[in-house]
Amino acid sequence: KAGVTQTPRYLIKTRGQQVTLSCSPISGHRSVSWYQQTPGQGLQFLFEYFSETQRNKGNFPGRFSGRQFSNSRSEMNVSTLELGDSALYLCASSLARPVNSPLHFGNGTRLTVT
Amino acid sequence: TQLLEQSPQFLSIQEGENLTVYCNSSSVFSSLQWYRQEPGEGPVLLVTVVTGGEVKKLKRLTFQFGDARKDSSLHITAAQPGDTGLYLCAGSTGNQFYFGTGTSLTVIP
Repeated sequence: KAGVTQTPRYLIKTRGQQVTLSCSPISGHRSVSWYQQTPGQGLQFLFEYFSETQRNKGNFPGRFSGRQFSNSRSEMNVSTLELGDSALYLCASSLARPVNSPLHFGNGTRLTVT
Repeated sequence: TQLLEQSPQFLSIQEGENLTVYCNSSSVFSSLQWYRQEPGEGPVLLVTVVTGGEVKKLKRLTFQFGDARKDSSLHITAAQPGDTGLYLCAGSTGNQFYFGTGTSLTVIP
């Protein structure tokens, strides 16, 4: 069974640009969650999607948005990039509600904003 | 502010030594998970504990959930270089998981 796939693995952008990250969950998993990981803050929850609907959202500005497609694949978009957005962005999939079933993480997208 | 505080933040020990990592909070969680993350990879689930006082063993790793379901510990016996990594605890409130600050463990051969 293929794991969670995130693309691209590395991304370098400049301030003010926007970026789209992609996540393909494990086959059969309908929930996709996104996290931001930085050395200072650890893993911070961004949002969770289930059956194309955003079910839960963390405390991030509106520049961070996401969506989920009918095949459960998910994308995350960050607009008007800031230096502080440099981080590892992790996607995790689970069968049902994340709190009731384990999270399976991808290897992340390393975003560097210059 | 972090809902879950882990200690120590960094730990460097010799192969064969024992260690304990702590995960503490003032909040009650319905369940708690432990993950290990290696450089360049995403976190991998080690265990889930759901009952206050529960103890689970995974080979040389022993996990305990506090009686009040506010804290947890991870004990590693006879650490090996393969145990090196970032250990993360994550507590569930029913709506989402909150991750701890992480403990970076280095086991020196």
